[in-house]
Amino acid sequence: GAGVSQSPSNKVTEKGKDVELRCDPISGHTALYWYRQSLGQGLEFLIYFQGNSAPDKSGLPSDRFSAERTGGSVSTLTIQRTQQEDSAVYLCASSSGNDRGRTGNTIYFGEGSWLTVV
Amino acid sequence: AQRVTQPEKLLSVFKGAPVELKCNYSYSGSPELFWYVQYSRQRLQLLLRHISRESIKGFTADLNKGETSFHLKKPFAQEEDSAMYYCALNGEYSGAGSYQLTFGKGTKLSVIP
Repeated sequence: GAGVSQSPSNKVTEKGKDVELRCDPISGHTALYWYRQSLGQGLEFLIYFQGNSAPDKSGLPSDRFSAERTGGSVSTLTIQRTQQEDSAVYLCASSSGNDRGRTGNTIYFGEGSWLTVV
Repeated sequence: AQRVTQPEKLLSVFKGAPVELKCNYSYSGSPELFWYVQYSRQRLQLLLRHISRESIKGFTADLNKGETSFHLKKPFAQEEDSAMYYCALNGEYSGAGSYQLTFGKGTKLSVIP
């Protein structure tokens, strides 16, 4: 596609349920990122994938959060046993570089998945 | 550790007035700084980066290493500039073949007609 695509765009789930959020990066982009955007908290880094390298998971807030990237393209962010504090917009982004921004590679963001845990 | 601080959550200015969105950073090495913008109902997008030293939509930002700042400026605000602005820093190597891209909490700019 022309841009980063995320689904679902909106998700309401009950506390304790598992959710999966999907990201289709821009074709050919080797780097993929997940961020969380909360009201008043700005953008929080979650995880970063680069090609076939081991992902940088340093931003995942707890072991309830996990992410996979299959075939170097599509990524799924899974949140298990959701809590109300997980409510946020989950943003996916991709870039063509292997050097996140250091060489000036532009990061392109999706429109986000709005998650509400009730 | 690296940190980005945007001290203002909300900034309101009149159309035609100058705008300055403040950004301060904490990083011991050589940083790479960005400004991202999110217009209403649109996705987050890159506005400008310090290495390009460019002016985008009339906005400029200069990296001041002495003051560890990267303030975003525009001499005459327009209504269409109303948006959420995020300052971001690309700095530390995280050990997994990547660098942390750290964002500030954002400043909402409202331009009053």
